[in-house]
Amino acid sequence: AQSVAQPEDQVNVAEGNPLTVKCTYSVSGNPYLFWYVQYPNRGLQFLLKYITGDNLVKGSYGFEAEFNKSQTSFHLKKPSALVSDSALYFCAVRDMIRGTYKYIFGTGTRLKVLA
Amino acid sequence: DAGVIQSPRHEVTEMGQEVTLRCKPISGHDYLFWYRQTMMRGLELLIYFNNNVPIDDSGMPEDRFSAKMPNASFSTLKIQPSEPRDSAVYFCASSFGVINEQFFGPGTRLTVL
Repeated sequence: AQSVAQPEDQVNVAEGNPLTVKCTYSVSGNPYLFWYVQYPNRGLQFLLKYITGDNLVKGSYGFEAEFNKSQTSFHLKKPSALVSDSALYFCAVRDMIRGTYKYIFGTGTRLKVLA
Repeated sequence: DAGVIQSPRHEVTEMGQEVTLRCKPISGHDYLFWYRQTMMRGLELLIYFNNNVPIDDSGMPEDRFSAKMPNASFSTLKIQPSEPRDSAVYFCASSFGVINEQFFGPGTRLTVL
């Protein structure tokens, strides 16, 4: 089955510390992977994507993600967290199933950055 | 660029009533998506269109739900009749091309009493 898993419901990190939000995936073909962020009462905003090429992808607001094919992971990272990074983060995968593209979002991880 | 526009932003209705949610995608985008977000089920893809044609509606929960895209700049999601369990935030999103990121609207918060 095609899926994406975010094993942590919430991640707490102190401001200035590095942060990691985990994502693993299971797809039948080559994965197209995305990270989105959602602030309260807002729609999701795109952060970054992996299509092909370098395993380390850089995105908006200083975020980056590392694609690891052997571990089927696409963890989101930031070297130094800000209080304003506190939000809900979604990992998503696009896969092709029987000739139709499927878009699957993870359950979300709430990031809380403590001052 | 105005982004993806959704209306209404909030809708409160009574069980059994018809509800119509509206979406205007970003000009030039050829994909349009409808999602539903709840605490219990998270973010679910309901249906998506490519060049106004429905491609995958496997996420539509039941026949009470229908979606149309009569032209490139407008789409509707209709629930008839509505039920309390339909209460959720409904998002519309659009993208240019199938591998590119989606741009989400602000959502419609639906409450069915």
